[in-house]
Amino acid sequence: NAGVTQTPKFQVLKTGQSMTLQCAQDMNHNSMYWYRQDPGMGLRLIYYSASEGTTDKGEVPNGYNVSRLNKREFSLRLESAAPSQTSVYFCASSLQGFSMSDTQYFGPGTRLTVL
Amino acid sequence: ELKVEQNPLFLSMQEGKNYTIYCNYSTTSDRLYWYRQDPGKSLESLFVLLSNGAVKQEGRLMASLDTKARLSTLHITAAVHDLSATYFCAVVSGGGADGLTFGKGTHLIIQP
Repeated sequence: NAGVTQTPKFQVLKTGQSMTLQCAQDMNHNSMYWYRQDPGMGLRLIYYSASEGTTDKGEVPNGYNVSRLNKREFSLRLESAAPSQTSVYFCASSLQGFSMSDTQYFGPGTRLTVL
Repeated sequence: ELKVEQNPLFLSMQEGKNYTIYCNYSTTSDRLYWYRQDPGKSLESLFVLLSNGAVKQEGRLMASLDTKARLSTLHITAAVHDLSATYFCAVVSGGGADGLTFGKGTHLIIQP
């Protein structure tokens, strides 16, 4: 049981390049999330998926797209990377999207630098 | 718009001392979460507080929730070096899977 996994762990891009961050969970969770963490800013929600086949914008969605490929996988795509997207990206999942005592489980993160 | 404020943002304390981290949030919510993050690592769930007056304890950490005051506290008793980390509180703004709004975190250093 690996929990939430993310690939890659590190990535350096040039401005304008594109890439996809991959996330998978093996806990049979329904809801998945993408956050970014910047120094002194806490974590901010980019996009989330309440269930397979649905996605919704979070607090900071501009410049990103997501795909809920199946119940296990939720990817985040940067179509044209900008230096402002330099950050640490965390994927998370939860069983039913904060029902009762539900909590979110976080992946190890992807450290992205855009030059 | 939901806002979550933590204070202090930085805390240096000595082993053996007690201290409290405060988390205020701006709109009604009946669920509050505390997470721990070690440098360069992911987030680890510490507590889930579901109702007014909820109190949870794990080792030297105790968390409480006052939904009327929109305030949660994380109390550290007789701090030890291993508790050095960044602590985040987070709140769900509404029903459903709409994600968490995090505070900026409290960077805690415990010195011998």
